[in-house]
Amino acid sequence: DVKVTQSSRYLVKRTGEKVFLECVQDMDHENMFWYRQDPGLGLRLIYFSYDVKMKEKGDIPEGYSVSREKKERFSLILESASTNQTSMYLCASSRAYGTGGGEKLFFGSGTQLSVL
Amino acid sequence: KQEVTQIPAALSVPEGENLVLNCSFTDSAIYNLQWFRQDPGKGLTSLLLIQSSQREQTSGRLNASLDKSSGRSTLYIAASQPGDSATYLCAVEFRSNTGKLIFGQGTTLQVKP
Repeated sequence: DVKVTQSSRYLVKRTGEKVFLECVQDMDHENMFWYRQDPGLGLRLIYFSYDVKMKEKGDIPEGYSVSREKKERFSLILESASTNQTSMYLCASSRAYGTGGGEKLFFGSGTQLSVL
Repeated sequence: KQEVTQIPAALSVPEGENLVLNCSFTDSAIYNLQWFRQDPGKGLTSLLLIQSSQREQTSGRLNASLDKSSGRSTLYIAASQPGDSATYLCAVEFRSNTGKLIFGQGTTLQVKP
């Protein structure tokens, strides 16, 4: 089974801190994604990556950046954390798309981030 | 605007009942649709993926159907069990080869023993 591991289950940070959220997958997937999930707003895509050193903005990239130096690792960076970034952050991965019409998305367990 | 809607937001049924969860989407030009399950405080687990060219997918007691022309998908759960209690989310990829999914808000299901 695919395993997507997020480094922290719960994280508490202070306003203005630089925050790193790490995600590692063990199935050699090309695609990796970062979502945030908020009550009433659902899941929203922050950034995604199709390959090493590649990144694409999702629907809500403001205040975030990402890094993908190795295929298995995708990091989300909050340059200066703010209270409105308190959320559940979910990492996901999938195989590269061929002609088959899509691939299943595999999620990590999530990191609940609180910014005080 | 491309949107995915799930109604109702919550559903409670007695154990053993067959049930249907609904998902509607605004644009019929979809690439694929996935149904996920999420347990409280946990990540999502993909249950079924239906490609644009398919009408339905089955896995065990689960059956998902897709009707692009009406912009609807249903997830059928047969002989529900208390272990099926969770939030079920529908997600649509509206453009091909992007991997970008638009999620519905989910239906929280409670199956009572």
